Amino acid sequence: KNEVEQSPQNLTAQEGEFITINCSYSVGISALHWLQQHPGGGIVSLFMLSSGKKKHGRLIATINIQEKHSSLHITASHPRDSAVYICAGFRLGNEKLTFGTGTRLTIIP
Amino acid sequence: DSGVTQTPKHLITATGQRVTLRCSPRSGDLSVYWYQQSLDQGLQFLIQYYNGEERAKGNILERFSAQQFPDLHSELNLSSLELGDSALYFCASSVGRGGGRNTGELFFGEGSRLTVL
Repeated sequence: KNEVEQSPQNLTAQEGEFITINCSYSVGISALHWLQQHPGGGIVSLFMLSSGKKKHGRLIATINIQEKHSSLHITASHPRDSAVYICAGFRLGNEKLTFGTGTRLTIIP
Repeated sequence: DSGVTQTPKHLITATGQRVTLRCSPRSGDLSVYWYQQSLDQGLQFLIQYYNGEERAKGNILERFSAQQFPDLHSELNLSSLELGDSALYFCASSVGRGGGRNTGELFFGEGSRLTVL
């Protein structure tokens, strides 16, 4: 079992829909990053979470430490949100970031 | 623009050759991380340096080596290249030395796309 697992693998939605991408992680992961990888390959860090909830524009990330689960939400989705979204976890005291396999999001106009 | 600069952006070379990838971290960031993204393996952590010292090692092959210089830029050296080394190599930087919540935000470079023929 991977330390970080994401679902779904692929997600296609209409413009304007509310999007949720899920990430489950194993015991010992102390901080979670959400990353966005554009079709051209570049990676942007969206959020780093160790507890609670963070919001940036139309993006919201939450983490539930007890359930070892994090979600990334996109409100009022737009075609420019089309990208691969990756969650990645750090173990406490360990700098080895472990990546999920990514969710490929396609927003149709 | 993340502030992290990677060169070259694209590199095509032959099996058995050696290449050097370069990364300049964001101003003020002391940690540099190297990651490999291949089609079959996804993103994998290779190695991290903090303020010139190796801090953590991941799935880095013995044919690969890295270092961080006094000006904090880092180089990843890949030698005896094989077809399977074809991948995107990303560098990221952070202000912290790592370990989860101590890392702070990660800033990624645009990547170096290596093709081994």
